[in-house]
Amino acid sequence: SQTIHQWPATLVQPVGSPLSLECTVEGTSNPNLYWYRQAAGRGLQLLFYSVGIGQISSEVPQNLSASRPQDRQFILSSKKLLLSDSGFYLCAWSVPAGATQYFGPGTRLTVL
Amino acid sequence: GESVGLHLPTLSVQEGDNSIINCAYSNSASDYFIWYKQESGKGPQFIIDIRSNMDKRQGQRVTVLLNKTVKHLSLQIAATQPGDSAVYFCASNGGKLIFGQGTELSVKP
Repeated sequence: SQTIHQWPATLVQPVGSPLSLECTVEGTSNPNLYWYRQAAGRGLQLLFYSVGIGQISSEVPQNLSASRPQDRQFILSSKKLLLSDSGFYLCAWSVPAGATQYFGPGTRLTVL
Repeated sequence: GESVGLHLPTLSVQEGDNSIINCAYSNSASDYFIWYKQESGKGPQFIIDIRSNMDKRQGQRVTVLLNKTVKHLSLQIAATQPGDSAVYFCASNGGKLIFGQGTELSVKP
């Protein structure tokens, strides 16, 4: 069966520091991968998605970036965090051309 | 642009009662719909889905109804239990998955 991992689970970082969040998927090949942010309200905002290694599409311009160095690894990064980057970051996967996305456990990021 | 909205941000029900959570969508091209459950501090969990060629689908204690005429879908939970307390999201896919804002379900013992 497929599983999706995210780490760290929680992170507290000062403003201006760098960020690296990691997501890995097991049990499937060539998945589509997604990064979402969920702010204090409940809506999920799609940040990036990837249909293959090195292929990244950005949905919202911001100071975050994403990379996919391996088939089942997706990384969310920032060079300098802002206070507004605080939130709950969720990674998700789907089969290629699949409509259902399956979410990881999330990373709670607090920027102080 | 496309939107998905829930009718009530919160819903409180008595344990054992049935719960109905509603959702409206705007994109007529949406052909696939999903309900997710998100417990506090966790990622959304897939509950049930339905394609646009169906108007009803049943799972274990859950039923999703789709009315394409008025672009409305609902999630019914039978015999609601305390473990059902969570935020419920609907999502529609018309080429891209669009999420609603969520309804927080509270179950009173």
